[in-house]
Formats: sequence, structure tokens, C-alpha cells
Amino acid sequence: DPKIIQKPKYLVAVTGSEKILICEQYLGHNAMYWYRQSAKKPLEFMFSYSYQKLMDNQTASSRFQPQSSKKNHLDLQITALKPDDSATYFCASSQARLGNYAEQFFGPGTRLTVL
Amino acid sequence: GQQVQQSPASLVLQEGENAELQCNFSTSLNSMQWFYQRPGGSLVSLFYNPSGTKHSGRLTSTTVIKERRSSLHISSSQTTDSGTYLCALDDSGGSNYKLTFGKGTLLTVTP
Repeated sequence: DPKIIQKPKYLVAVTGSEKILICEQYLGHNAMYWYRQSAKKPLEFMFSYSYQKLMDNQTASSRFQPQSSKKNHLDLQITALKPDDSATYFCASSQARLGNYAEQFFGPGTRLTVL
Repeated sequence: GQQVQQSPASLVLQEGENAELQCNFSTSLNSMQWFYQRPGGSLVSLFYNPSGTKHSGRLTSTTVIKERRSSLHISSSQTTDSGTYLCALDDSGGSNYKLTFGKGTLLTVTP
């Protein structure tokens, strides 16, 4: 059974629209993350959450908003979509302890295409 | 910021040959992970190895912090090893748990 679920697997959107990417983890972890991988760049960190609180935000745009309704959920809302937002978005989780790094595990990704 | 350099960018092997993948970083780190990215895109964690040497089957990871490098050795390669290998590290001091990734090594193993 998959331990980190991302929905949908593929997503096509039109410029200017809004989409929500879903992530649920069943590893019992207390920290969740979003990363993005576009065709021209390495995987890059976007957000980290610990105990449903934002820890770090490395996105330059407020169009990207994480939403954590439950401890094991971290969705990503993207508004006013642009073609440059086309990428694969990965959710990850870890059992984080302050002052100690913990291994991160990744979901299968959502491939977003903005036309 | 942290720079993560992976080499080689791509590598072609015949089945049975060994591979040595390198990851060099510019500043100190708190952790190092190696990932395998399948052709379909999903990421599999191979090693969490902030220092020293770890083994898993045909794979060996060695991280030497003072030399600012980590390596991934694949022995007796198989066609199923084909894909992209990524190293990633966290230098946030254990507070933000942010991974910085290299660009990866694309490995192709031919029969």
C-alpha cells in the first residue's frame, strides 16, 4: 500500500485558473514538505510544515499556498496559474525532531501542465 | 547558498559493470540522502547517510564530510538500475529540514 498518496497523478489546467494538489501520508510523520521539479531545474524545496505549522517557505510567489487540515494532510493550492508553473510537484514527509535531521520520503508526484 | 554538484551528468554501462557516482557540496551539512528517480518520475530513498559508509545489497554510499563529498557505488549493474540518481543534503541546522538537490546522474545500463 502506498504510504504517501498524491492526487491527482496528472493535472491539466488553463492559464489563470486555480488548482489544489492533494497530499496524504500514512507514515505517522509530523513533518511534511512540498518540492517542485520542472524540466529546466533540479528538484527544489518549496515549503516545510511541522505539526501543521509552517516552518519554511522558499517560494517567491503568494500564488502558492499550502493548506494543512489534518496532521497527515498537506495540500497545495496554486492560484492564477501560469505556463511556467508546469512541473511535477512532490510531497514528502519525515519524522522531524528539532535539532536533528530525519530521512525524508517522497510521494509519487503530481504532474501539472498549464496551457 | 549551498551548492550541490553531481558527476558525471550521465553514464552508460554494460550490464555487469560497476558505477561510481559523485556528489560534492560547498558548505557543511547535517545530512545526506541519495535517491533513485524512476523513469516514470517517482523518487525512492536509497540511503540516508550523513557520514561514513552504508551498504544495501549492491549499493554502497560513502560520505566524507571534511572532504565535502559523498559517493554512491553500484556494483554489478543491471538494466533495472537505469534511471536518475540524485543526491540531496540538508544544511539548515536541523530547524527547517530543507533538502537541496543536485541535478542528478542519468544512468543507462545496456544488456
